[in-house]
Amino acid sequence: QSVLTQPPSVSGAPGQRVTISCTGSSSNIGAGYDVHWYQQLPGTAPKLLIYGNSNRPSGVPDRFSGSKSGTSASLAITGLQADDEADYYCQSYDSSLSGLVFGGGTKLTVL
Amino acid sequence: QVQLVQSGAEVKKPGASVKVSCKASGYTFTGYYMHWVRQAPGQGLEWMGRINPNTSGRNYAQNFQGRVTMTRDRSISTAYMELSSLRSDDTAVYYCARGPLRVVAEFDYWGQGTLVTVSS
Repeated sequence: QSVLTQPPSVSGAPGQRVTISCTGSSSNIGAGYDVHWYQQLPGTAPKLLIYGNSNRPSGVPDRFSGSKSGTSASLAITGLQADDEADYYCQSYDSSLSGLVFGGGTKLTVL
Repeated sequence: QVQLVQSGAEVKKPGASVKVSCKASGYTFTGYYMHWVRQAPGQGLEWMGRINPNTSGRNYAQNFQGRVTMTRDRSISTAYMELSSLRSDDTAVYYCARGPLRVVAEFDYWGQGTLVTVSS
């Protein structure tokens, strides 16, 4: 059971917009700690997609955006493409555990 | 360019230890934390802990306290993660990942991963 809760799967057609939620609690996201997002393509290492809630590293398309409110965060992907099909993970810090934590991951399927 | 190159796959018996290395290049090794993250087959990501390569200060996740040891050799810009008393459920891909020197850090570069298989 992950400290941060994500839906196991989401799907969308090419060109559509999808969102992936990441729900935490008062000891992590709700305490104001930053949320980061990663994309993991099959058989590869994760790649940083969003850092500091809403910032994109150089090279990440602006189709990807992040937001945070209260005890939750969201990743939005617009203009869905076939190569967006991957697993997506949120990550933050939990003060009760005194450590970094991940969400359980969300598998994105492009229909 | 930043690169993290990990050692090769390992097969270990239950109860043994494994030591994985992560050689960094393309940046100042002592200027960033080195984290270790693992992923069991078909499962999600799990943070194991981090080391400050400058001070050797370490923070371990509660799930691994007492079984994991993270070290570094500044002279060759290499970090190490040793996991002892291996069990079958330690079978996973182990990643090293770089992160800024702050508490709530993101992992901006990752190694390629090292598969550790624990089997009798």
